Amino acid sequence: KQEVTQIPAALSVPEGENLVLNCSFTDSAIYNLQWFRQDPGKGLTSLLLIQSSQREQTSGRLNASLDKSSGRSTLYIAASQPGDSATYLCAVGRQWETSGSRLTFGEGTQLTVNP
Amino acid sequence: DTAVSQTPKYLVTQMGNDKSIKCEQNLGHDTMYWYKQDSKKFLKIMFSYNNKELIINETVPNRFSPKSPDKAHLNLHINSLELGDSAVYFCASSPRASGWALSGANVLTFGAGSRLTVL
Repeated sequence: KQEVTQIPAALSVPEGENLVLNCSFTDSAIYNLQWFRQDPGKGLTSLLLIQSSQREQTSGRLNASLDKSSGRSTLYIAASQPGDSATYLCAVGRQWETSGSRLTFGEGTQLTVNP
Repeated sequence: DTAVSQTPKYLVTQMGNDKSIKCEQNLGHDTMYWYKQDSKKFLKIMFSYNNKELIINETVPNRFSPKSPDKAHLNLHINSLELGDSAVYFCASSPRASGWALSGANVLTFGAGSRLTVL
């Protein structure tokens, strides 16, 4: 059974700091890994998707890496801004099968960026 | 226009009641999902429908009954509500069951969530 763990559970940083969020998973037979952002009272916004054959993806100030063999992913946020404050969720996709897609989520890291 | 919309956004009800949450997507996606986020913030899949057909049914009490009248709608009906049903329920959609084959960041599009409180 796949388990996804995110560390730290909460993080508070001053504006402008670079930071790293960690995600680990127990079963390396994944199809892909996604990082989401969740704002209070809102849905989830997909930030980055890394296929199992890839090692990293970049979007703006965000960079996500994937080390499938060790069961780890990191989300790097450069030059953090108060608007980055949210909960960041890591989710791994199960090996593709015809019965449909499944995502297993971590508990999330609650990020606060202070002005 | 909201891509995945859920109603109601908030629902407060008494134990034992029956309630429904509706979900609609205007993205033309074939697959829709229901996820439950509990008090510990864990998101877990409950159901998935592909073009009105049930394809994922996780270990969910049979008090929960999804209904998909067409591929743009997936409603969740809950009978005999219990305290433990209190959670935020998220609807999501993706282009197709094999949506993993697509590249890009938005394979799954989530709704804003429906917060259910059972008293």
